[in-house]
Amino acid sequence: QKEVEQDPGPLSVPEGAIVSLNCTYSNSAFQYFMWYRQYSRKGPELLMYTYSSGNKEDGRFTAQVDKSSKYISLFIRDSQPSDSATYLCAMSGAGAGSYQLTFGKGTKLSVIP
Amino acid sequence: GAVVSQHPSRVICKSGTSVKIECRSLDFQATTMFWYRQFPKQSLMLMATSNEGSKATYEQGVEKDKFLINHASLTLSTLTVTSAHPEDSSFYICSASQGIDEQYFGPGTRLTVT
Repeated sequence: QKEVEQDPGPLSVPEGAIVSLNCTYSNSAFQYFMWYRQYSRKGPELLMYTYSSGNKEDGRFTAQVDKSSKYISLFIRDSQPSDSATYLCAMSGAGAGSYQLTFGKGTKLSVIP
Repeated sequence: GAVVSQHPSRVICKSGTSVKIECRSLDFQATTMFWYRQFPKQSLMLMATSNEGSKATYEQGVEKDKFLINHASLTLSTLTVTSAHPEDSSFYICSASQGIDEQYFGPGTRLTVT
């Protein structure tokens, strides 16, 4: 079993739809959870950063972490064509020096006008 | 926000030559920098972790003599691909951390070895 599982998609939705992206993980030591957006041939861009369980909202984006289920989600409301990209979940362990990220494979999202 | 730059953005080199890629944190001091490579339609794979002033820690399977990493200052790290071969063609991405678990990524360097 891989440490982080993420459905690669592709996921295609109409403009304005609510998008739900998910990752599951197996390592209970993960404490920090991130979502990155990566446009084609570009480096990843940090979208959301959360610590431990709970929700975090930033504009149209909401990140949820459920540590008991080892499950994280990213919701995108009122999706726009500019949201079309690959979304990578990433996580890291606790404590100083635990900066190494473990990535999911990424989900390719297309928002159709 | 934290900005990380990479240079060059694209490079084509002949087999057997060496290529140096620079990674700079522009508006913050990076205690730790990371180097990743990404093949088409694949996720990022960590190659090595470097802390300023000390030797890099390489991931299993990554040849340290082939991928030379220098983290000379808190704002600059370099990756040199020595004696490059076509199988080294990939997208190389660096990231920098201020030591609070967030990593900021550079735009990436596409290396093509002919």
